Amino acid sequence: AQTVTQSQPEMSVQEAETVTLSCTYDTSESDYYLFWYKQPPSRQMILVIRQEAYKQQNATENRFSVNFQKAAKSFSLKISDSQLGDAAMYFCAYSMEYGNKLVFGAGTILRVKS
Amino acid sequence: DVKVTQSSRYLVKRTGEKVFLECVQDMDHENMFWYRQDPGLGLRLIYFSYDVKMKEKGDIPEGYSVSREKKERFSLILESASTNQTSMYLCASIQGNTEAFFGQGTRLTVV
Repeated sequence: AQTVTQSQPEMSVQEAETVTLSCTYDTSESDYYLFWYKQPPSRQMILVIRQEAYKQQNATENRFSVNFQKAAKSFSLKISDSQLGDAAMYFCAYSMEYGNKLVFGAGTILRVKS
Repeated sequence: DVKVTQSSRYLVKRTGEKVFLECVQDMDHENMFWYRQDPGLGLRLIYFSYDVKMKEKGDIPEGYSVSREKKERFSLILESASTNQTSMYLCASIQGNTEAFFGQGTRLTVV
């Protein structure tokens, strides 16, 4: 079975600085999809970024980028120029294919200090 | 702009009660999911459905059942609520290569 591990229960970052959240996963599949979701205090889950395993290029969405290391089964999220609104719980997730069930990590709480 | 709606944001039920959590999506998605969220455990899949009247067990189905009589509605049922089912419940719907859309969650307390 696929598993997703987030080893950092909590992280803190100073406003305007850069922070990296770690995620590793385990799968025997060669094609799959990886996601980072943000859950602010409102509890609404928001997709931050996604990566298709067949793409070698790391995904980027504005201040958010990933470091996808397929051989190492690692998928970290880098947040640049951190803002107060980035404070949230971040979940790393895996899916075998689009539309299929998501397997989530335990989450990382990100605190942003002003 | 509401896409996935869960019937209650907060719910308090007594041990032994039958509890219904409702989820409705307006995107005509075929795939719907129920997750349970607990601190330190992330989101764990309870049940999912890829079509009307179809259901499949997820990773933690014990003590739960589901119903999908219409495409837009996916209900989670706690047959006899217990205190260890106190948790946050999240519904999601997905279709094809769209992102997953989540409801706002139901925080259930069983006393």
